[in-house]
Amino acid sequence: SQQGEEDPQALSIQEGENATMNCSYKTSINNLQWYRQNSGRGLVHLILIRSNEREKHSGRLRVTLDTSKKSSSLLITASRAADTASYFCATGGGADGLTFGKGTHLIIQP
Amino acid sequence: EAQVTQNPRYLITVTGKKLTVTCSQNMNHEYMSWYRQDPGLGLRQIYYSMNVEVTDKGDVPEGYKVSRKEKRNFPLILESPSPNQTSLYFCASSPNRNTGELFFGEGSRLTVL
Repeated sequence: SQQGEEDPQALSIQEGENATMNCSYKTSINNLQWYRQNSGRGLVHLILIRSNEREKHSGRLRVTLDTSKKSSSLLITASRAADTASYFCATGGGADGLTFGKGTHLIIQP
Repeated sequence: EAQVTQNPRYLITVTGKKLTVTCSQNMNHEYMSWYRQDPGLGLRQIYYSMNVEVTDKGDVPEGYKVSRKEKRNFPLILESPSPNQTSLYFCASSPNRNTGELFFGEGSRLTVL
C-alpha cells in the first residue's frame, strides 16, 4: 500500500520560528493529507491537497506538493508552544483508507 | 458536537479475556475504520467498514473482529487478547470513502498482561 515517510523524525525550534517538515511517498496519489496529533490524543485533520494542486494555505499552514518528486512539505509559520505535536502525512483514501507515515515530532521551545 | 467516541479510554486486561472497544460517531458517516498505533511502527489499519454490514480487513487484522450493525457504531472485538495487542487504538470515520479525510476518536490505550 502507499505510504508517506516524514522527515525529519524530530524537530526542535524556538517559538516564533518557522517549522518545515517533509513527506515522501512511493506511488501516484489522488491527494495527500496532513494530520496533527497531540501527545496521546486522536489525530486531527489539518489540510488536504489534491494531486492537481501545487500549494495550499490554511492560516499559518502552507502545504506544497510536488508529484514529480513524490513529495510534500508542511510549513508552520510563526510557531507557537501549542504547535508542539506530532505531524503525519497520509496518502490513499478510498476503500482502503489512509496510510500514514511515522510522523515528525515537533517541539517548540519557549 | 460532532465527534467520534471510544470506550474505554484505558484498559488493563489479561491474556485470553475477551474484550470489546466500542466506537460511536454522531456525524452520519458511512466510512469507519480502526487503527492501532505503536512506537516505531506508526498507525496501521486493522479493519474498515464502508457502510452497514460491510467490513473488510486492513493491514493488521489478525486477532481482531469487527461488526457494523448500525451506521453509527463500529466495535472492535478482541476474542482472546495477547500481549502483542498492547497498543493505542483509534477509531475514525469519514463522510464517504472517497473523501479520505478522517475524524478520529481520542484513542483507547489497551494493555494486555
